[in-house]
Amino acid sequence: GAVVSQHPSWVICKSGTSVKIECRSLDFQATTMFWYRQFPKQSLMLMATSNEGSKATYEQGVEKDKFLINHASLTLSTLTVTSAHPEDSSFYICSAKTGDGYTFGSGTRLTVV
Amino acid sequence: QKEVEQDPGPLSVPEGAIVSLNCTYSNSAFQYFMWYRQYSRKGPELLMYTYSSGNKEDGRFTAQVDKSSKYISLFIRDSQPSDSATYLCAMSFTGGGNKLTFGTGTQLKVEL
Repeated sequence: GAVVSQHPSWVICKSGTSVKIECRSLDFQATTMFWYRQFPKQSLMLMATSNEGSKATYEQGVEKDKFLINHASLTLSTLTVTSAHPEDSSFYICSAKTGDGYTFGSGTRLTVV
Repeated sequence: QKEVEQDPGPLSVPEGAIVSLNCTYSNSAFQYFMWYRQYSRKGPELLMYTYSSGNKEDGRFTAQVDKSSKYISLFIRDSQPSDSATYLCAMSFTGGGNKLTFGTGTQLKVEL
């Protein structure tokens, strides 16, 4: 089946630094990639939708200058958390639409200290 | 009122039991219905995908959709400890930007 590879699986960074999370579709072309954030024991919250070659569409309340999304190719989308702060600590997950649903990456646990 | 309601649990059952997980929704535009399993600190894994009312079976899993009642279910037969996870229902519709709307997830524990 369709696989989305997400890296890193976990990262710890200092306040004020930036962190990049990558998602690659391994055996299919992902025209659209979705980025989610998940807090402990809560469901997934959609942050933004990225389409290859165009600007991402952000959900209400999500700061686009803080969460930079790039979808430069059909197999790679990245999320950069800029000037990270402890409140950005969370579980970030990407997802791509496939023929029979949506495939998710394995998630990235970000801890900002 | 949330668009998709799901009992968060936790739900604890003995090994071998039949598990019933449910979601209700309010938006009649939803056309596609999915169930995902999520282990702790992992991404969701697609279990079932359906787009019509009725039942769909895959191994020990049966997905049921009742559009008239805006109600979907996932049944797990012969539950195993390895089924212990959070189960998320999700749905979408054409014209909704392909966005998924998730339930809050039900935490399931299958005990020996």
